[in-house]
Amino acid sequence: GAGVSQSPRYKVAKRGQDVALRCDPISGHVSLFWYQQALGQGPEFLTYFQNEAQLDKSGLPSDRFFAERPEGSVSTLKIQRTQQEDSAVYLCASSFRGQGSYGYTFGSGTRLTVV
Amino acid sequence: GESVGLHLPTLSVQEGDNSIINCAYSNSASDYFIWYKQESGKGPQFIIDIRSNMDKRQGQRVTVLLNKTVKHLSLQIAATQPGDSAVYFCADAIPYNQGGKLIFGQGTELSVKP
Repeated sequence: GAGVSQSPRYKVAKRGQDVALRCDPISGHVSLFWYQQALGQGPEFLTYFQNEAQLDKSGLPSDRFFAERPEGSVSTLKIQRTQQEDSAVYLCASSFRGQGSYGYTFGSGTRLTVV
Repeated sequence: GESVGLHLPTLSVQEGDNSIINCAYSNSASDYFIWYKQESGKGPQFIIDIRSNMDKRQGQRVTVLLNKTVKHLSLQIAATQPGDSAVYFCADAIPYNQGGKLIFGQGTELSVKP
């Protein structure tokens, strides 16, 4: 597609519920990043994939957070047993191989509200 | 730990005036910085970037200044327009061979009065 697509745009989850957030990167983009953006804050790095390999997951806040990209294209961020502090916008970004931070394209994000 | 922060959380300017948004960073080894614009309900959008071997870089109506001595960046927007209203972030871009992630500051909300 023309841009990075994220779904759903909005998700309301009851505390304790599991959620799955999807990211469709730009076709051919090797690098894929997930960020978490709390209200009024800048995005914070969660994890990074190069093709299907998860090369950096240092930003995942707990073992309740899990990300995958099994075929090197679509990625899913899963949050188990959601808690109120998980409420945030989750942003996905992709870029060409070798560009890394350069040439990032962000999706519009999924706004997760945990009630 | 490393941080990238902004001096002012909000900035209100009159349409047609120039805007200046500031950013401080803490890592003296940082090599590459990017300014992003984020409109409500959208992801960050690239505006302009600058490498540490430069002091100034100009784009269309935007200029970024880098002062490595005091670890300070600024984004200047000339003839600010209502469409410039958004939150602006500076980000420290980690080299690709070190993971390529972005470290964002907190953001400045720019409001343009017609």
